[in-house]
Amino acid sequence: GAGVSQSPSNKVTEKGKDVELRCDPISGHTALYWYRQRLGQGLEFLIYFQGNSAPDKSGLPSDRFSAERTGESVSTLTIQRTQQEDSAVYLCASSLGGTDTQYFGPGTRLTVL
Amino acid sequence: TQLLEQSPQFLSIQEGENLTVYCNSSSVFSSLQWYRQEPGEGPVLLVTVVTGGEVKKLKRLTFQFGDARKDSSLHITAAQPGDTGLYLCAGERGNNRKLIWGLGTSLAVNP
Repeated sequence: GAGVSQSPSNKVTEKGKDVELRCDPISGHTALYWYRQRLGQGLEFLIYFQGNSAPDKSGLPSDRFSAERTGESVSTLTIQRTQQEDSAVYLCASSLGGTDTQYFGPGTRLTVL
Repeated sequence: TQLLEQSPQFLSIQEGENLTVYCNSSSVFSSLQWYRQEPGEGPVLLVTVVTGGEVKKLKRLTFQFGDARKDSSLHITAAQPGDTGLYLCAGERGNNRKLIWGLGTSLAVNP
């Protein structure tokens, strides 16, 4: 596809379960970002991948959160032992390089019951 | 504490009216970006301002970066229903790619 895609679009899970969110960046984009958008709060940076460099994980809120990216393709964000405060829209963005315009996907709306 | 304060938080106006929304901070940013986000979609970049005092125009939208690079404004002339959405500002400090985001201004333009 032409844009960033994310799946699933919606995820409802029970507290304590693990979830995996997927992001397909625009082909050729070397940089990939994950953000969290909670109701009433601004976007929070979670993690940044740039090419083969070590990812910047400084925004991950706890060790329950992890993300992987294979090469310059798909990325997965995993949340273990989900909590109600993890409920949010998780947005992925990609850019051609580290300083270029970020293109966002539609997000995954996560609801933890 | 929000590093980037956006105001107003909500705005409902009639088609044809003009409006200005603000993005303010006590911190200096190397650049500031404005995005629009519609329900169920991710933010879409409208403009990036880099130089203090810079003014950029995008059709009916005028963006200004403050002289001290601490604040910015977005002015919309003759608003249309298609302008409805959440307007977000995001600042970059140095060459740190971790953008700092405001909470946004939710704009509704009524026909």
